[in-house]
Amino acid sequence: AQKITQTQPGMFVQEKEAVTLDCTYDTSDPSYGLFWYKQPSSGEMIFLIYQGSYDQQNATEGRYSLNFQKARKSANLVISASQLGDSAMYFCAMRAMDTGRRALTFGSGTRLQVQP
Amino acid sequence: EPEVTQTPSHQVTQMGQEVILRCVPISNHLYFYWYRQILGQKVEFLVSFYNNEISEKSEIFDDQFSVERPDGSNFTLKIRSTKLEDSAMYFCASSDRDPTNYGYTFGSGTRLTVV
Repeated sequence: AQKITQTQPGMFVQEKEAVTLDCTYDTSDPSYGLFWYKQPSSGEMIFLIYQGSYDQQNATEGRYSLNFQKARKSANLVISASQLGDSAMYFCAMRAMDTGRRALTFGSGTRLQVQP
Repeated sequence: EPEVTQTPSHQVTQMGQEVILRCVPISNHLYFYWYRQILGQKVEFLVSFYNNEISEKSEIFDDQFSVERPDGSNFTLKIRSTKLEDSAMYFCASSDRDPTNYGYTFGSGTRLTVV
């Protein structure tokens, strides 16, 4: 079974500062993918970034980077130069990548508020 | 940018009634999914669908749920006899390949309220 833990129910950050959202996971699958999604107040789920378990380098997408520490089973999202529009709920998720199982397992989320 | 479209955005139904939630996935996508999010809780997987059949389903997806791709564009989730605990946001998602490292494209969701 897979499990995602997000221990920060809420975070505050000043505009233009960097912020790290924590995510730890547990799985017995040898190959897996880790995803981060953003959910603004409007409700839609927006894909941000992906990290494969066998990827040697940490993933980056614009202002988003994923601090992947496989031995510690953590996949923290780093948002650099926070903007007011980054205020949203952020979900970490994972799935197995080399089986027929397609389900994403989500964490409970972190609500980020960016302050001016 | 292509998007997944869900209708309606909000539906209120009486307990025991049947509801059909509709989704139009991205046109060249082959894999389709339904997820739900009870208010304030985590997003939960319901079902995945490929090649006109269910490829995986969760424990939540019991006999009262069904999915269908009635034509080349729509993907529907039917709840046969709604219960109060079915009140949630239901998300449709699609992807062009599986597994994917591009994430799934989610729709904006249908908020279902059972009264």
